[in-house]
Amino acid sequence: GAVVSQHPSRVICKSGTSVKIECRSLDFQATTMFWYRQFPKKSLMLMATSNEGSKATYEQGVEKDKFLINHASLTLSTLTVTSAHPEDSSFYICSASRTGASSSGNTIYFGEGSWLTVV
Amino acid sequence: KQEVTQIPAALSVPEGENLVLNCSFTDSAIYNLQWFRQDPGKGLTSLLLIQSSQREQTSGRLNASLDKSSGRSTLYIAASQPGDSATYLCAVNYGGSQGNLIFGKGTKLSVKP
Repeated sequence: GAVVSQHPSRVICKSGTSVKIECRSLDFQATTMFWYRQFPKKSLMLMATSNEGSKATYEQGVEKDKFLINHASLTLSTLTVTSAHPEDSSFYICSASRTGASSSGNTIYFGEGSWLTVV
Repeated sequence: KQEVTQIPAALSVPEGENLVLNCSFTDSAIYNLQWFRQDPGKGLTSLLLIQSSQREQTSGRLNASLDKSSGRSTLYIAASQPGDSATYLCAVNYGGSQGNLIFGKGTKLSVKP
């Protein structure tokens, strides 16, 4: 079946540094990918919609200059957390939509998620 | 404001029991609703997707129902097993791109052997 791979699964970085998270659709092309984050005991929240070949669309309250999204190919989107701070520590997860994958319409596949800890 | 609520937040049952997880949403004009499973430290696995025109979907021991008028969905798990232990998330899509989902906080299920 379709797989979305996310890397790294866990990362620890120092405050002030940047960290990049990759999201790959392994066996299908995804013109649109999505980035979510989940703080402890909170719901998953959409951060941004990543569109291949164009600028990402950010949700209200998400700083686009801090969370850089690049979707340079149909199988890869990257999220870069710039100048990370401890409050950015969270679970980040991506998803990709596969068109017509089932009789009930598009199917969304999620990556494994990335645990970011900023110290 | 569109919100998704899941009750209970946590549930512990003995192996073999049938159980129901609940999801409610404030805006009934949904496009579809999805149930996911999240294992600790892992990504999400899609379990069932119900389109707004459907009333239920079944996959193995899982059955999800949808009542748009009352803003509710239930996930029924038959003959629970320890391997079913995970957090179950309900997510609603109000239209537009498929990935724009609003998630509940989840129900953490523990099935005791």
